Amino acid sequence: GQQLNQSPQSMFIQEGEDVSMNCTSSSIFNTWLWYKQDPGEGPVLLIALYKAGELTSNGRLTAQFGITRKDSFLNISASIPSDVGIYFCAGLSISNYQLIWGAGTKLIIKP
Amino acid sequence: SQTIHQWPATLVQPVGSPLSLECTVEGTSNPNLYWYRQAAGRGLQLLFYSVGIGQISSEVPQNLSASRPQDRQFILSSKKLLLSDSGFYLCAWSSTSGRGEKLFFGSGTQLSVL
Repeated sequence: GQQLNQSPQSMFIQEGEDVSMNCTSSSIFNTWLWYKQDPGEGPVLLIALYKAGELTSNGRLTAQFGITRKDSFLNISASIPSDVGIYFCAGLSISNYQLIWGAGTKLIIKP
Repeated sequence: SQTIHQWPATLVQPVGSPLSLECTVEGTSNPNLYWYRQAAGRGLQLLFYSVGIGQISSEVPQNLSASRPQDRQFILSSKKLLLSDSGFYLCAWSSTSGRGEKLFFGSGTQLSVL
């Protein structure tokens, strides 16, 4: 079946550092979504992307829809303690209109 | 505005006992509804989704079932829980109009089967 490869699996960073994570697939998607999940909570939508090449920002977060429509990345600039959590990508398949999820990137900020 | 309520927040159940988790959505009509499960430190696994009252699609064979008795109510059930049913269960909704791919999640139920 369709899969999304999300990397890295986890990141240990210093406060103030920039963060980058990405999702790739062998399949084409027509929508990419990025979510953040705080511990013990449900994921919250951060950014939605609908066109190949689209670059969208939400505060310190920036995400891009890859030109090939098979990948997307999320960048966080100047990380702060409240950025910790698990970040998920999700792609909407053009073949069956199902949402396919990445396995998540766990962000940990070193004290 | 739309809100989604999911309860209970935590649940500890013995093996073999029944399960009922409830989810309700307010502020929207005829939403798509979803049940996901998340194992500790893992990604999201879609269990069931529903596009309307009484319409349930199952994504994986399992010990669980889902029902949608009302437009904005989605229930996850089991007659006899297994140890492997432990996990974090999330209910979500999406709109059937416009860009319905955006999912909005409840706060989750942490289920421990002992």
